[in-house]
Amino acid sequence: AQSVSQHNHHVILSEAASLELGCNYSYGGTVNLFWYVQYPGQHLQLLLKYFSGDPLVKGIKGFEAEFIKSKFSFNLRKPSVQWSDTAEYFCAGPSVTDKLIFGTGTRLQVFP
Amino acid sequence: GAGVSQSPSNKVTEKGKDVELRCDPISGHTALYWYRQSLGQGLEFLIYFQGNSAPDKSGLPSDRFSAERTGGSVSTLTIQRTQQEDSAVYLCASSLDWVSTEAFFGQGTRLTVV
Repeated sequence: AQSVSQHNHHVILSEAASLELGCNYSYGGTVNLFWYVQYPGQHLQLLLKYFSGDPLVKGIKGFEAEFIKSKFSFNLRKPSVQWSDTAEYFCAGPSVTDKLIFGTGTRLQVFP
Repeated sequence: GAGVSQSPSNKVTEKGKDVELRCDPISGHTALYWYRQSLGQGLEFLIYFQGNSAPDKSGLPSDRFSAERTGGSVSTLTIQRTQQEDSAVYLCASSLDWVSTEAFFGQGTRLTVV
């Protein structure tokens, strides 16, 4: 079955630290991958997406993600986090029935 | 409207009662999704629609759950004979076409079954 896995469930960082959140997928077809973010009290919103082309994609607020086909990975990165990045982050990808499936999410807490 | 609208935003119901949750997608979006978000459980897929048809209902937890979409627009998720384990935030999302385009989420309906 198709799946999207996030292995970091809870990450705690200090401001200015670097961030990398792992995401692995198991779907072997056309890969469209997404990272969504949910800030406290807000709805889910798109952070960035990969459809094709350059495997390094840049999103809002300084986030980027790299699609590595050989590793079935789409990790999210940010060189220097801020307190305002405190949120829950979800990786998402497609299934054969075209539904969008999500990982279990990673809760990021950034302390000043 | 400008975004995906869900109503009610909060619903408290007694165990055994039926509830109906509504989703108004962004105008022109053909794909509509329902997810359930529970603490520590991530986003659980329930059902998705392409137009008025539901190609994938595999996520509905039991036959107490049903959903429909009319006119390629508004969708309702109905939970019959609610149980305490149904308590969660129910999220609706819509996208322009199929999964390759961005999904826009509503604020969700927080359902509490007491």
